[in-house]
Amino acid sequence: AQRVTQPEKLLSVFKGAPVELKCNYSYSGSPELFWYVQYSRQRLQLLLRHISRESIKGFTADLNKGETSFHLKKPFAQEEDSAMYYCALSGVRGGSNYKLTFGKGTLLTVNP
Amino acid sequence: NAGVTQTPKFQVLKTGQSMTLQCAQDMNHNSMYWYRQDPGMGLRLIYYSASEGTTDKGEVPNGYNVSRLNKREFSLRLESAAPSQTSVYFCASNWSWDRDVWGGNTEAFFGQGTRLTVV
Repeated sequence: AQRVTQPEKLLSVFKGAPVELKCNYSYSGSPELFWYVQYSRQRLQLLLRHISRESIKGFTADLNKGETSFHLKKPFAQEEDSAMYYCALSGVRGGSNYKLTFGKGTLLTVNP
Repeated sequence: NAGVTQTPKFQVLKTGQSMTLQCAQDMNHNSMYWYRQDPGMGLRLIYYSASEGTTDKGEVPNGYNVSRLNKREFSLRLESAAPSQTSVYFCASNWSWDRDVWGGNTEAFFGQGTRLTVV
């Protein structure tokens, strides 16, 4: 079974402070990991995926297979980063293994 | 470029009524999904279709049925609505395939959501 855990429902930081949104996963094998973001009144959209190893809007995430984690980080938070963030996992081979499983989400608020 | 289109955007049902949520994508994706979003519960997968002609249960399939009508369309049906099915429903689609051969899952695109209230 594949499972994604985001331990923090709410996270509040001040503008300019570092931010880390935690994500842990359970999967037998090497999964694909993603971060999706939902800004107020907008659709969910992809923020980044671990395979791409890229930085989007200043956010980065490193897959740590030993700790089964995929934490999202940004060194200096901006007010426009306030949103709901979802960590997601997919299997990598075969049929229903491809399904995207999401965590419960973390609501990030960046205060001025 | 429409992407993923869901209808309706809002719906109020009485307990026991039935309805079908429609979803269509124009990106030639092979995989389509139905999720429900509830406060504190995140996105929970109801049903999933890896390709035309196949469907699989997700985490919370009870009370729902789906039809992958063709590659473009994936509908969700509530046969007898219950108040516990009050939620926001999202349809999504993407390309899903073997990572080592074809590069894995691509970005999932979401519909704008359907806010369903069952009274």
